[in-house]
Amino acid sequence: DQQVKQNSPSLSVQEGRISILNCDYTNSMFDYFLWYKKYPAEGPTFLISISSIKDKNEDGRFTVFLNKSAKHLSLHIVPSQPGDSAVYFCAASGSYDKVIFGPGTSLSVIP
Amino acid sequence: EAGVAQSPRYKIIEKRQSVAFWCNPISGHATLYWYQQILGQGPKLLIQFQNNGVVDDSQLPKDRFSAERLKGVDSTLKIQPAKLEDSAVYLCASSLVLAGYNEQFFGPGTRLTVL
Repeated sequence: DQQVKQNSPSLSVQEGRISILNCDYTNSMFDYFLWYKKYPAEGPTFLISISSIKDKNEDGRFTVFLNKSAKHLSLHIVPSQPGDSAVYFCAASGSYDKVIFGPGTSLSVIP
Repeated sequence: EAGVAQSPRYKIIEKRQSVAFWCNPISGHATLYWYQQILGQGPKLLIQFQNNGVVDDSQLPKDRFSAERLKGVDSTLKIQPAKLEDSAVYLCASSLVLAGYNEQFFGPGTRLTVL
């Protein structure tokens, strides 16, 4: 049973445009949502997170939006840069619970 | 600050053989995690330690996988005997505390191929 879903395996965006990565979840008990970024042959690195009591969190070019009623979150990258090309994992957890990762979306930013 | 160290980076073995992976977390991090990442999937938690105690090993195939974290620092993950479906990247991660919001720091992973 996949609790965290990323239905787009891949996404291509032109440099300078907005990248929108989507994530859906099924467990309404999740308290925290996180995004990790992964380059080939490296481990994932933390990017940004949001608590379930918020609907938006922004950090520089990265913004995460949370819609609890729809059990949906999205990561916006503006403007997109070639260095943003990576696999992005959406993840979710309870307060003191294990983190559940989605299958990832591979983002390609075309110069 | 040194990151999470893992070794070896790559390992190729025959099915039914044994293999062990080593992880050294970031100094001072109480929580250590082992994940299995199969190609095309997200990391799946195998086991989670808080200091040297096991917090969650519900998804660890205990008939063939074992892990320990002696003295609450380094950790080893062992597979004995290996199966073809164990081919994956094994990621170690650590965090300061055990909390869902806490950022996890990942090592580079060990890519295991079982032939």
